[in-house]
Amino acid sequence: QKEVEQDPGPLSVPEGAIVSLNCTYSNSAFQYFMWYRQYSRKGPELLMYTYSSGNKEDGRFTAQVDKSSKYISLFIRDSQPSDSATYLCAMSDDDKIIFGKGTRLHILP
Amino acid sequence: GAVVSQHPSWVICKSGTSVKIECRSLDFQATTMFWYRQFPKQSLMLMATSNEGSKATYEQGVEKDKFLINHASLTLSTLTVTSAHPEDSSFYICSARDGLTGLRQPQHFGDGTRLSIL
Repeated sequence: QKEVEQDPGPLSVPEGAIVSLNCTYSNSAFQYFMWYRQYSRKGPELLMYTYSSGNKEDGRFTAQVDKSSKYISLFIRDSQPSDSATYLCAMSDDDKIIFGKGTRLHILP
Repeated sequence: GAVVSQHPSWVICKSGTSVKIECRSLDFQATTMFWYRQFPKQSLMLMATSNEGSKATYEQGVEKDKFLINHASLTLSTLTVTSAHPEDSSFYICSARDGLTGLRQPQHFGDGTRLSIL
């Protein structure tokens, strides 16, 4: 079993819809959870950073961490065409970060 | 804040040449920088961890003599791909973490360097 599992998509949703992205993981030692957005031919951009379980909201983005289920989610409200990108989940127990493969998201105007 | 600048953004060169990629933290001091490689539609693969003033730590399977890393200051790390060959063509991305805040901080990424070896 891979340490981090993420559906590669592509996921296509109409503009204005709520987007739900998620990852599962196997290492219970992970404590730090991140979501990055990566546009084509660009480096990943940090969107959300959370420690341990719980929810965190920032504008249209909400990150959820459920350590008991080893499951993390990113919700995007009022999705826009500019949200079209690849979204990478990442998690860490110490210095190293383990990334998911990324989910390609297309927001249809 | 937390801006990481990577240069160049795109390099095309002949097989056998060496290529240097720079990674700079612009508004913070990075005691640790990371170098990744990413193939199309694949995730980021950590190549090495670079610590200021000491030798880099390479991941298993990464040739340290081929991928030379230097982290001479708190704001600059360089990756040199020596005697590059077509199989080294990839997207190389650096990241850095603010090492002076005393808290566990996430990594911030540069915009990557697309390396094409002919």
